[in-house]
Amino acid sequence: EAGVAQSPRYKIIEKRQSVAFWCNPISGHATLYWYQQILGQGPKLLIQFQNNGVVDDSQLPKDRFSAERLKGVDSTLKIQPAKLEDSAVYLCASSRLRGPNTGELFFGEGSRLTVL
Amino acid sequence: KNEVEQSPQNLTAQEGEFITINCSYSVGISALHWLQQHPGGGIVSLFMLSSGKKKHGRLIATINIQEKHSSLHITASHPRDSAVYICAVKKTSGSRLTFGEGTQLTVNP
Repeated sequence: EAGVAQSPRYKIIEKRQSVAFWCNPISGHATLYWYQQILGQGPKLLIQFQNNGVVDDSQLPKDRFSAERLKGVDSTLKIQPAKLEDSAVYLCASSRLRGPNTGELFFGEGSRLTVL
Repeated sequence: KNEVEQSPQNLTAQEGEFITINCSYSVGISALHWLQQHPGGGIVSLFMLSSGKKKHGRLIATINIQEKHSSLHITASHPRDSAVYICAVKKTSGSRLTFGEGTQLTVNP
């Protein structure tokens, strides 16, 4: 089965510009996660979707970050305006809601953002 | 104190050695994940377990729920095993994963 697809792999922008990341989860995975991983730290959950509904966005800086999963399949994470401290790898992951290996996470390759 | 503690933080081994990475947690959990992250960012899920022991190739993961402790073992280590190994737990309350700081493993030829 195809893995979690993310794009772009790399993005360099200047502060105050905007950026969008895209994620297509594994087919049939109802749960989709966006994580932010700053260099040297563990991943931090930004938002968790179940189908097209938000389960947890308590750590999403809503003044500048937004995410959507309109049709319950692929998802977009947007940052506007970007700050220097947003430089990080943005990881998308997905998991099954039910059935074999429910809850096991499958990660994409990540999108590395550098804000200058 | 972090809810998930890993040890050691850094580990250097010679090819062929048996490796153990430890994870202790202080909260009630429904599942524990072991993840592998290579340079470049990609994360691979190695194991998800809630009790007992799982084995996949040269990797073995164990968990002791009473002691709130899990170990990841690598037998016959190889330089390609060099990566950061991350322990993450899903608390019984809530659905968010709590991550450990990771263990940087370097296996020298």
